[in-house]
Amino acid sequence: GENVEQHPSTLSVQEGDSAVIKCTYSDSASNYFPWYKQELGKRPQLIIDIRSNVGEKKDQRIAVTLNKTAKHFSLHITETQPEDSAVYFCAASISGGGGADGLTFGKGTHLIIQP
Amino acid sequence: DVKVTQSSRYLVKRTGEKVFLECVQDMDHENMFWYRQDPGLGLRLIYFSYDVKMKEKGDIPEGYSVSREKKERFSLILESASTNQTSMYLCASSKGGSMNTEAFFGQGTRLTVV
Repeated sequence: GENVEQHPSTLSVQEGDSAVIKCTYSDSASNYFPWYKQELGKRPQLIIDIRSNVGEKKDQRIAVTLNKTAKHFSLHITETQPEDSAVYFCAASISGGGGADGLTFGKGTHLIIQP
Repeated sequence: DVKVTQSSRYLVKRTGEKVFLECVQDMDHENMFWYRQDPGLGLRLIYFSYDVKMKEKGDIPEGYSVSREKKERFSLILESASTNQTSMYLCASSKGGSMNTEAFFGQGTRLTVV
């Protein structure tokens, strides 16, 4: 099955700096890569996703890049703010065939924004 | 606004008990999922369903079963609870079709098996 590795497990950055979280996946058939943010005591929520026919996607301060050849994808957060502090999860799955497979998640990155 | 609701926020059960975790979604989603979340391990897929009465094993199905009798409801069953099933359980749902779409999560059930 799919295996997703995520690094680092903890990332501390100064407010206003950029943060980068990296993930690799093992199954070359995976074609959907979402990122979820989980604040303390809350449910995970989607912040951005990318499909394998796209190399990069941006949404305001958040961007995701995908390198299919190397089988890795990254989350970039610019101009970090205190409300960006949370645990971030990358995931991968294979879509198609009429039914969605479940997501395989990385182990998470605890992002800490230092004031 | 999609709502995924899990029946209990906290649950304490004894070893060997049969445990039912219930999840209901109100957006007519075809796909429903059960994950468990443990510190340092992320979210791991237990079972999922893409239609009524259909179920598929995820990565860690051992010791669990599921039931989907109605489209909006997906139940996770621990046949005989054990202490290593103490965890946070998260239900999720998403629209069906040929493309994966956003999964919406419930608030979680923190299960403690004593």
